[in-house]
Amino acid sequence: GAVVSQHPSRVICKSGTSVKIECRSLDFQATTMFWYRQFPKQSLMLMATSNEGSKATYEQGVEKDKFLINHASLTLSTLTVTSAHPEDSSFYICSARSDRVYNEQFFGPGTRLTVL
Amino acid sequence: AQSVTQPDIHITVSEGASLELRCNYSYGATPYLFWYVQSPGQGLQLLLKYFSGDTLVQGIKGFEAEFKRSQSSFNLRKPSVHWSDAAEYFCAVGAPNSGYALNFGKGTSLLVTP
Repeated sequence: GAVVSQHPSRVICKSGTSVKIECRSLDFQATTMFWYRQFPKQSLMLMATSNEGSKATYEQGVEKDKFLINHASLTLSTLTVTSAHPEDSSFYICSARSDRVYNEQFFGPGTRLTVL
Repeated sequence: AQSVTQPDIHITVSEGASLELRCNYSYGATPYLFWYVQSPGQGLQLLLKYFSGDTLVQGIKGFEAEFKRSQSSFNLRKPSVHWSDAAEYFCAVGAPNSGYALNFGKGTSLLVTP
């Protein structure tokens, strides 16, 4: 149980285009989902927290107009990187918190974004 | 400010030797503590977690960790390392006042030599 999927696993896009990454909780309802970003050989940094049906809360320094987060259902959150640039190339990882196991997160496998 | 520190960026151990990875945290109250492992290009795998109770926690793959409140530490240990343990290890901390979002340490890269 407690499986989280991400799609796509890898994406390459041209500079200026937008990319959407999906995060799904497959066997539980996720009232809260988190988006993290990991640069090569670095740690994970929290980008934003999203609660189902409400606006995401962004961490300081994260541009909310550039990283659009939608948590429209209890099993799906999406991160859209708008007008992507090479500096947005990174590993994006989502996690989901169950409404039953409130103090633990379950992580997706990550999405590798490369912007050319 | 809340913080998580992993003092060792790289650690090299011989296969079969014991391992200890250090993690120190600075939080207002006892947080929830986690250790994750990440292989290159892969996602995170939870090794173990501490919420409350027994301060010695057993995890998967033969790992254990001990919570020491007086030292604000949650060090990860393994008595005998296998070559397959080579990976990046992250200590993470969460707390109710942050909605349980995790604050990660910078990670420790483990190299296992024959």
